[in-house]
Amino acid sequence: NAGVTQTPKFQVLKTGQSMTLQCAQDMNHEYMSWYRQDPGMGLRLIHYSVGAGITDQGEVPNGYNVSRSTTEDFPLRLLSAAPSQTSVYFCASQQGINSNQPQHFGDGTRLSIL
Amino acid sequence: AQTVTQSQPEMSVQEAETVTLSCTYDTSESDYYLFWYKQPPSRQMILVIRQEAYKQQNATENRFSVNFQKAAKSFSLKISDSQLGDAAMYFCAYRTPGWRGGGADGLTFGKGTHLIIQP
Repeated sequence: NAGVTQTPKFQVLKTGQSMTLQCAQDMNHEYMSWYRQDPGMGLRLIHYSVGAGITDQGEVPNGYNVSRSTTEDFPLRLLSAAPSQTSVYFCASQQGINSNQPQHFGDGTRLSIL
Repeated sequence: AQTVTQSQPEMSVQEAETVTLSCTYDTSESDYYLFWYKQPPSRQMILVIRQEAYKQQNATENRFSVNFQKAAKSFSLKISDSQLGDAAMYFCAYRTPGWRGGGADGLTFGKGTHLIIQP
């Protein structure tokens, strides 16, 4: 019962460094997405994918890249980390793209940019 | 763009009592889906309940029920017989159906309500 797995759980970066947040799901879900959660705010959509090879931007995409080469994996890349990207990042997946299906969330990655 | 508003940053209720969390949303769509998620201190996002806009009947899941007023664009969550384990942040979320592209295909969240259960 792995569900949605995010790694790492915690990470500290210096400004300007790059890194990749990993997300994997074992439920064969078509839809995957990345959100960020900042204090006092709900989750905001960064990027999403409706299937392998298909990605689209969400509400706050700047500074992040994604790719979807397989159904299982949906990594999020920070090209040049900035303090404004300090946040908790959640990956989610959903069966199909009909939105009555619930999104399953990973446990989150807490990222601090110094 | 759709917006979701949770006007109560924090609510407190005595154990075993009933509490209602408010949520309103703004949309021009006629078909959409609404969700309540719970986020305990463990940080997990847990689905509590969901509602399809085309269904007039309010969704219920054990002690959790919603009052869905489509015309008023209101989607409140009622928790009956509150338990200590209900203490968490609660997020209301909205989604349009299908795949539209252009950044419209994810959940739009409210800012959350922090629910405190007094023993």
